[in-house]
Amino acid sequence: EIVLTQSPATLSLSPGERATLSCRASQSVSSYLAWYQQKPGQAPRLLIYDASNRATGIPARFSGSGSGTDFTLTISSLEPEDFAVYYCQQRSNWPGITFGQGTRLEIK
Amino acid sequence: QVQLVQSGAEVKKPGASVKVSCKASGYTFTSYDINWVRQATGQGLEWMGWMNPNSGNTGYAQKFQGRVTMTRNTSISTAYMELSSLRSEDTAVYYCARGSAFSTGMDVWGQGTTVTVSS
Repeated sequence: EIVLTQSPATLSLSPGERATLSCRASQSVSSYLAWYQQKPGQAPRLLIYDASNRATGIPARFSGSGSGTDFTLTISSLEPEDFAVYYCQQRSNWPGITFGQGTRLEIK
Repeated sequence: QVQLVQSGAEVKKPGASVKVSCKASGYTFTSYDINWVRQATGQGLEWMGWMNPNSGNTGYAQKFQGRVTMTRNTSISTAYMELSSLRSEDTAVYYCARGSAFSTGMDVWGQGTTVTVSS
């Protein structure tokens, strides 16, 4: 099973700052990686698919990069509504899918 | 609009089974996969398995093999997930989510169904 490790576990930043979240895979997943945002009491929301493509309706301040084993989600300038938990997910070894353990983005 | 609507909360005793439904609307049900993902309180997301509603083909996470069954009724655009031999550790919110064989990412999620396993 491919293990996804997200870092940091918690990121404390202020609105307007740049956020950089990391996801590392235990073996190559090519570009088969997605990012989600989850707020308390809500279902996850797809942000990025196939490593670098923004999902429908996702603001341009969200961007994804990387391939192979190292991936990054960047939020260029944090808005108040961006403070949430973020998960990465891979589907390389289909039909197996795994999620990272999550990064909590909190207001500093 | 495109949506997935799940059945209501369930309370079950250890050893029982639960069956959660997920009704699709606003798109062609047989054109997209359905994944099932669960989340225990305060924990991360855990993928349980996948179903192709067109063929009925399924793929289950190894952890749930032998305990989970995913089915569908195409006439009513509804997917089902049944989990048997429930234990307290199965207490969680269960989500269905639309996926695609052609890209990574689940773009439409149900609202979640809380399953509580308690004696």
